[in-house]
Amino acid sequence: ELKVEQNPLFLSMQEGKNYTIYCNYSTTSDRLYWYRQDPGKSLESLFVLLSNGAVKQEGRLMASLDTKARLSTLHITAAVHDLSATYFCAVDPSTGNQFYFGTGTSLTVIP
Amino acid sequence: DSGVTQTPKHLITATGQRVTLRCSPRSGDLSVYWYQQSLDQGLQFLIQYYNGEERAKGNILERFSAQQFPDLHSELNLSSLELGDSALYFCASSVGDSGTGNQPQHFGDGTRLSIL
Repeated sequence: ELKVEQNPLFLSMQEGKNYTIYCNYSTTSDRLYWYRQDPGKSLESLFVLLSNGAVKQEGRLMASLDTKARLSTLHITAAVHDLSATYFCAVDPSTGNQFYFGTGTSLTVIP
Repeated sequence: DSGVTQTPKHLITATGQRVTLRCSPRSGDLSVYWYQQSLDQGLQFLIQYYNGEERAKGNILERFSAQQFPDLHSELNLSSLELGDSALYFCASSVGDSGTGNQPQHFGDGTRLSIL
């Protein structure tokens, strides 16, 4: 069974600091997605990574994909309180018909 | 606004009952996905439909069923409800079939189901 693991599960960081969330998956895939979810709200698409070495940046967030290592990272630069949310990665395998979501990383940015 | 519409937003019912959740995908999207999100289970994929056909099944209980209609809206039917079915149920849609495109899934706001 395909596994998608995120580390850490919980992250508390101070404003202005940098940190990285890791997403490891156990199958071949060239497509990986990052989502953000605010408490009690829907999931919002952040990044679509479609090939090995893909890097996308939006504001203080940057996502990358290494398909050979089956690893994606979400890097947070100079965190601000508005980034507090739960972040999910999702893998779209080369075979099969479903997305596999990671466990989520709950990020709290402390002023 | 993702363009995916789910109704109702909240649903409160009792054990043993049956409910229907409804989802209208974004205009032009042919795939519909259903997910269950609870505190202890996380985000669980239930089922996917593409252009009216069932395409993938995940951790969906036999008490649950779904269908996608010719106008592409979808319904998730939950029967013989148990306390453990209390969760947030999301519908998502995408343009193509999973595994064939490069588009993310777009999520609705969810239906919060509470079983008393």
